[in-house]
Amino acid sequence: DSGVTQTPKHLITATGQRVTLRCSPRSGDLSVYWYQQSLDQGLQFLIQYYNGEERAKGNILERFSAQQFPDLHSELNLSSLELGDSALYFCASRTGRGGSTDTQYFGPGTRLTVL
Amino acid sequence: AQKVTQAQTEISVVEKEDVTLDCVYETRDTTYYLFWYKQPPSGELVFLIRRNSFDEQNEISGRYSWNFQKSTSSFNFTITASQVVDSAVYFCALSEAGGTSYGKLTFGQGTILTVHP
Repeated sequence: DSGVTQTPKHLITATGQRVTLRCSPRSGDLSVYWYQQSLDQGLQFLIQYYNGEERAKGNILERFSAQQFPDLHSELNLSSLELGDSALYFCASRTGRGGSTDTQYFGPGTRLTVL
Repeated sequence: AQKVTQAQTEISVVEKEDVTLDCVYETRDTTYYLFWYKQPPSGELVFLIRRNSFDEQNEISGRYSWNFQKSTSSFNFTITASQVVDSAVYFCALSEAGGTSYGKLTFGQGTILTVHP
């Protein structure tokens, strides 16, 4: 158990809908990352937050947005869903304080299926 | 831009065989970090090792060992005396040490390892 939690574990929805994925980082971790894993794109970085502020963006679609709340949990919002958005979405957290052991630990993922 | 290449898409071995998973990376950063993660059939991503670019010491952890060679930009992973429980997808990853994308991981495509009894 990495200490990172993600809910829900599975999500099935229809095209055009909007969903919210939730992530709680490990206790004490300030930095949260979101990744998407799909068969054609592999594991891709979406977005990073540090202590409530957006720090970096990767290949995140405009239909997707995220935020990190004062209690450090994060949510990834996916809207106007398309079939191609079906994927495994991972959240990872890191202390963010640097140092040789400052490593990203991943949550169990949310499997999104868009029908 | 950073890039990680895992040339082996799939490897199949019989239990107790040794197996090496290759990883080659590209980066313009002088300081960076390399990682291996394991994704078993259950789907989660399990951290295995992190290596800093300034530390070329090889590492052994039980049946696992890692060979980091900066001169060839490679960070290979060897499993000795493989077991069925080692069957998983293994990802090599790279992250920058600074800049706006600090900590962001760039992953290879993964190597599917199947260990047969």
